[in-house]
Amino acid sequence: DAKTTQPNSMESNEEEPVHLPCNHSTISGTDYIHWYRQLPSQGPEYVIHGLTSNVNNRMASLAIAEDRKSSTLILHRATLRDAAVYYCILNSGYALNFGKGTSLLVTP
Amino acid sequence: SAVISQKPSRDICQRGTSLTIQCQVDSQVTMMFWYRQQPGQSLTLIATANQGSEATYESGFVIDKFPISRPNLTFSTLTVSNMSPEDSSIYLCSGRLAGTGELFFGEGSRLTVL
Repeated sequence: DAKTTQPNSMESNEEEPVHLPCNHSTISGTDYIHWYRQLPSQGPEYVIHGLTSNVNNRMASLAIAEDRKSSTLILHRATLRDAAVYYCILNSGYALNFGKGTSLLVTP
Repeated sequence: SAVISQKPSRDICQRGTSLTIQCQVDSQVTMMFWYRQQPGQSLTLIATANQGSEATYESGFVIDKFPISRPNLTFSTLTVSNMSPEDSSIYLCSGRLAGTGELFFGEGSRLTVL
């Protein structure tokens, strides 16, 4: 799987939007962009994924650059419960290979 | 969606012993995987559990150390053999539903080896 680059950590205020960036300059045409998050002491949970077009679901939005070399996960209103490690993963096969992710701190 | 249950949720084991972790999924998943998460680290893929045949291991993991079974579509086991303190980790089971891009994860099994 191609490599992704994410900031080690980010901080946000509660009830404000959060934009989590991910660079993936070596993405291939068949790679989907997946986002997962891991809350403390829990297994990872799926957030969103996309291929070329922007995607929205109840948890978040995924904005994908036109050249697909970067993407941004958008949490529209951060809550304290959103404090987690967020992983951006490229995948064209079956398993997911996790990088180090971005640790998001949400402050009241 | 799928709910993945793992047993045990945690255990403390002695060096040189083996422990088998069970993973039960409430839906028929096409793919099942085992991951390891060492303290303060990200997840590392151990292997893909294949139904009715030998698991497919990632580089650095071998069948003698981490034997895996998957007798049907909803159940798998991972054994950590001849344990040493370096095997102290959280072991996570995951599964992918047919027709979806999502991986579902169990809560993990926290293993401490003394």
